[in-house]
Amino acid sequence: DARVTQTPRHKVTEMGQEVTMRCQPILGHNTVFWYRQTMMQGLELLAYFRNRAPLDDSGMPKDRFSAEMPDATLATLKIQPSEPRDSAVYFCASGLAPDGRPLPYEQYFGPGTRLTVT
Amino acid sequence: AQKITQTQPGMFVQEKEAVTLDCTYDTSDPSYGLFWYKQPSSGEMIFLIYQGSYDQQNATEGRYSLNFQKARKSANLVISASQLGDSAMYFCAMRERIHQFYFGTGTSLTVIP
Repeated sequence: DARVTQTPRHKVTEMGQEVTMRCQPILGHNTVFWYRQTMMQGLELLAYFRNRAPLDDSGMPKDRFSAEMPDATLATLKIQPSEPRDSAVYFCASGLAPDGRPLPYEQYFGPGTRLTVT
Repeated sequence: AQKITQTQPGMFVQEKEAVTLDCTYDTSDPSYGLFWYKQPSSGEMIFLIYQGSYDQQNATEGRYSLNFQKARKSANLVISASQLGDSAMYFCAMRERIHQFYFGTGTSLTVIP
């Protein structure tokens, strides 16, 4: 049963600390998405990758957030320094985009990382 | 304008009854996809059903069906024979050809025994 995995599932940290969240997409999927979910804003797209290349990170605060895919089996989202307003659930999703298309028809979500910054 | 609008923040349905969750969308892209996801209290996002803009038939997956009315730009989710386990948040989403996925604000469904 192929699934997207995310670690850690929960993270509590103090303001100013660096936070790294990891995602393992479903094997064979060539797109990875990072979302943030809060009560106030709902689901917001932060960044997405196709074949490990960033296609859109316009939703991400550039001064403190960074997203990378060091290889096809790992995506990371880093916040440095973290702030209380970053407290949210961060979801990773993956999908298979057909040749010539930037986006997949479907996305499959991981369980999320619940981040609390105090 | 909102890309995805879900006007029902909360819905109640009696167990075994059918329920319709509303979703309207806004796009000028001729090629797009529409999705529904379920988010139970555990927090995971579960993919339920997909409808492509060129699909002639309404999508169905078990007890889920998507009532796709292209001219009205609506993509309502119909859940037949509701079960207690259907209690969750439901999100409507849209993928445009080039850009990205857009999500609605969600509808909280409560199934009453």
